[in-house]
Amino acid sequence: SYVLTQPPSVSVAPGQTARITCGGNNIGSKSVHWYQQKPGQAPVLVVYDDSDRPSGIPERFSGSNSGNTATLTISRVEAGDEADYYCQVWDSSSDHYVFGTGTKVTVL
Amino acid sequence: EVQLVESGGGLVQPGRSLRLSCAASGFTFDDYAMHWVRQAPGKGLEWVSGISWNSGSIGYADSVKGRFTISRDNAKNSLYLQMNSLRAEDTALYYCAKPQAGGWSIDAFDIWGQGTMVTVSS
Repeated sequence: SYVLTQPPSVSVAPGQTARITCGGNNIGSKSVHWYQQKPGQAPVLVVYDDSDRPSGIPERFSGSNSGNTATLTISRVEAGDEADYYCQVWDSSSDHYVFGTGTKVTVL
Repeated sequence: EVQLVESGGGLVQPGRSLRLSCAASGFTFDDYAMHWVRQAPGKGLEWVSGISWNSGSIGYADSVKGRFTISRDNAKNSLYLQMNSLRAEDTALYYCAKPQAGGWSIDAFDIWGQGTMVTVSS
């Protein structure tokens, strides 16, 4: 089955840039979506189709996808960005959605 | 307002059954596939099952295949998950989720419910 690997944690100072990777075999050929989940809350879509943002999501959130790695970039990090982040793809070989292992972003 | 409200969770003994429901409002329910996603306590997200708008395409995670059955009633704007032969490892918060563009596959999930907790324990 298809596996998406994320770093367990990323720490970043306020105002700096956080980069969260999502590794998967030839992930560049798939559409990658990213979710933010704060404690006790449901996930929120922050980037879809590799690099598009839903309405209401700040421009500080951006995404890219190439080769075997997709990346969610959070620019000018704020305290409110502290959350768990998950990548997601559709695996056509198994007809399953797959989520990444999740990354906890800590704002120092 | 687009909204998904799950219900039906609770404490159940191993081997027993439970049926979850998800009530949808604020959008044309039968234009969209729908999905169930779960999250065990302190763990990550796991896709459980999905169903196309007309129930013509259905899929399950390997961990629940043969035990769980997804269904929908478009007349009632409702999604269901029948869970049989429950195991301790099925303990999780179960979310229903709506795909952004309505498709059965590929789409991101733009709307999530708040979840209903299922605890499997003797």
